[in-house]
Amino acid sequence: DIQMTQSPSSMSASLGDRVTITCQASQDIGNNLIWFQQKPGKSPRPMIYYATNLANGVPSRFSGSRSGSDYSLTISSLESEDMADYHCLQYKQYPWTFGGGTKLELK
Amino acid sequence: QVTLKESGPGILQPSHTLSLTCSFSGFSLSTYGMGVSWIRQPSGKGLECLASIWWNGNTYNNPSLKSRLTVSKDTSNNQAFLKVTSVDTADTATYYCAHTRYDGTYYYVMDVWGQGASVTVSS
Repeated sequence: DIQMTQSPSSMSASLGDRVTITCQASQDIGNNLIWFQQKPGKSPRPMIYYATNLANGVPSRFSGSRSGSDYSLTISSLESEDMADYHCLQYKQYPWTFGGGTKLELK
Repeated sequence: QVTLKESGPGILQPSHTLSLTCSFSGFSLSTYGMGVSWIRQPSGKGLECLASIWWNGNTYNNPSLKSRLTVSKDTSNNQAFLKVTSVDTADTATYYCAHTRYDGTYYYVMDVWGQGASVTVSS
């Protein structure tokens, strides 16, 4: 199985901060990675497809990037509505595997 | 507009079989490229992809659950099903179904999710 190592597992940040969350893949997954946002009691919402493509309706302060086997989700200027859990998912190879998740809280 | 909704027993006893239904609208599982994935999430924990079923009948089950999983579909009634046999307390989780599609070049994995069905395994 492809392991997705996500970091940090939790973090706190202030409004307006630039925030970066990372997933490292244990094998080559190309750009076959999605970032999801999940708010308490809600279903996950896709934010970024194919590592770098913004999903429909997602604010432009969100972006995705890749450097080798490291994939990053960046929020350029944190807003209160961005407080949530974030998950990465690789879909290069079955079983599709998620990272462990990052809990983003307000400082 | 694609929507999905999971339904299940809520609570069941250890060793029993969990049966979940995903009722959906806005797409057909007989249309090229369409699929439904099943994902679960224990309370306060991460997500685990369990299985997928595609328009052509192809299925994939996560081997971590060994042979306990069965996924199927009823295209006439726009439903997909997940069965998990021999459940134990570790299977307690919220179970989601999600729409997934393939356009011949790109996958759009889990682009729309159901609200989730809470399942508790307890004696």
